[in-house]
Amino acid sequence: SAVISQKPSRDICQRGTSLTIQCQVDSQVTMMFWYRQQPGQSLTLIATANQGSEATYESGFVIDKFPISRPNLTFSTLTVSNMSPEDSSIYLCSVGRKAGELFFGEGSRLTVL
Amino acid sequence: RKEVEQDPGPFNVPEGATVAFNCTYSNSASQSFFWYRQDCRKEPKLLMSVYSSGNEDGRFTAQLNRASQYISLLIRDSKLSDSATYLCVVGSSNTGKLIFGQGTTLQVKP
Repeated sequence: SAVISQKPSRDICQRGTSLTIQCQVDSQVTMMFWYRQQPGQSLTLIATANQGSEATYESGFVIDKFPISRPNLTFSTLTVSNMSPEDSSIYLCSVGRKAGELFFGEGSRLTVL
Repeated sequence: RKEVEQDPGPFNVPEGATVAFNCTYSNSASQSFFWYRQDCRKEPKLLMSVYSSGNEDGRFTAQLNRASQYISLLIRDSKLSDSATYLCVVGSSNTGKLIFGQGTTLQVKP
């Protein structure tokens, strides 16, 4: 298994501000992903964080709103930009070692007022 | 139509009961199938993979019916600690992307 540390674990933010979430993994991993879980909903993939190149975004998510960095194989950041209350959600970093087996960080619970 | 559909429940069962969860998926090209477990306010964790021939892990049995695009999870002799949300997850071999169902909530009562 992989140990994944995310921070902040939770935050309350004002509308219009931006928040950067950090994800640190205890070993090098190729596949790294960012998910969102809105209240009462399941997980939705935001993007795949690619080391050394731009992230690959899923339909409905754009780089301007969710810029992602992946400077090396153990670290990634997700920024939620120009936040609105609709962005209130849990954001989860995950890594995959083999097909289908994802390990998740504990998540960052974001509330936008 | 959602790509992966589950009955959200909640399923309320007494300890010792047998409970079954169902899941359907829309993409016939899906190649990999899993059940994840998510405890309240926690991250999801892999419970088990689902193989074509069906597979068992202790009290848990997973079945796959490709023709009907249907996956099931059976829990025997339910324990209080089984209370959680069970997420059906389907993967595409083409994209490697995993699609999560909305989850089925199980509450096991003493």
